[in-house]
Amino acid sequence: GENVEQHPSTLSVQEGDSAVIKCTYSDSASNYFPWYKQELGKRPQLIIDIRSNVGEKKDQRIAVTLNKTAKHFSLHITETQPEDSAVYFCAASPRNSGNTPLVFGKGTRLSVIA
Amino acid sequence: NAGVTQTPKFQVLKTGQSMTLQCAQDMNHNSMYWYRQDPGMGLRLIYYSASEGTTDKGEVPNGYNVSRLNKREFSLRLESAAPSQTSVYFCASRYETSGRSSYEQYFGPGTRLTVT
Repeated sequence: GENVEQHPSTLSVQEGDSAVIKCTYSDSASNYFPWYKQELGKRPQLIIDIRSNVGEKKDQRIAVTLNKTAKHFSLHITETQPEDSAVYFCAASPRNSGNTPLVFGKGTRLSVIA
Repeated sequence: NAGVTQTPKFQVLKTGQSMTLQCAQDMNHNSMYWYRQDPGMGLRLIYYSASEGTTDKGEVPNGYNVSRLNKREFSLRLESAAPSQTSVYFCASRYETSGRSSYEQYFGPGTRLTVT
């Protein structure tokens, strides 16, 4: 089945710098890759997603890139702010004959230092 | 439109007690999920239901049972709680179809369970 690896597990950046989180997946048939942000004590919430027919997607300060050949996708946050501090999860959606749950990475704890 | 709701928000149980966590969604989603999240850890799938009347085991199903009561509701039952089941439990729902691109998954606010 699908396996998603996420790196790094923790990341500290200075306010205003960029942050990059990388994920690799194993199932070449996976076709949907969401990123979730979880603030302390809150539920995970979708911040951006990308489908397999697109190489890059941007939404203000966040962007996601997808390399299907290498089977990896990355989250880029520019001009980081203290409110970006949270745990970020990547996920992949396997495509097969039945409905299958998202497979999540183990998460990256991002700390933005003011 | 409330999204995904869960009850209760907090619960303390003694070892051996039973309880049911309730989850409901009003987005007409077909798939529903139960996850647990331990401190500093990721999301681990307990059970899921791809449609009304079907349930499947996830990564960590032991000690739990589920019921997909109807399209809206998906409950998680602990028959005999153990301290190892102390965790935050999240319910989630998503619309997905076989063979097509998937859609956004929404999470409930979570239930914080402590077993002493």
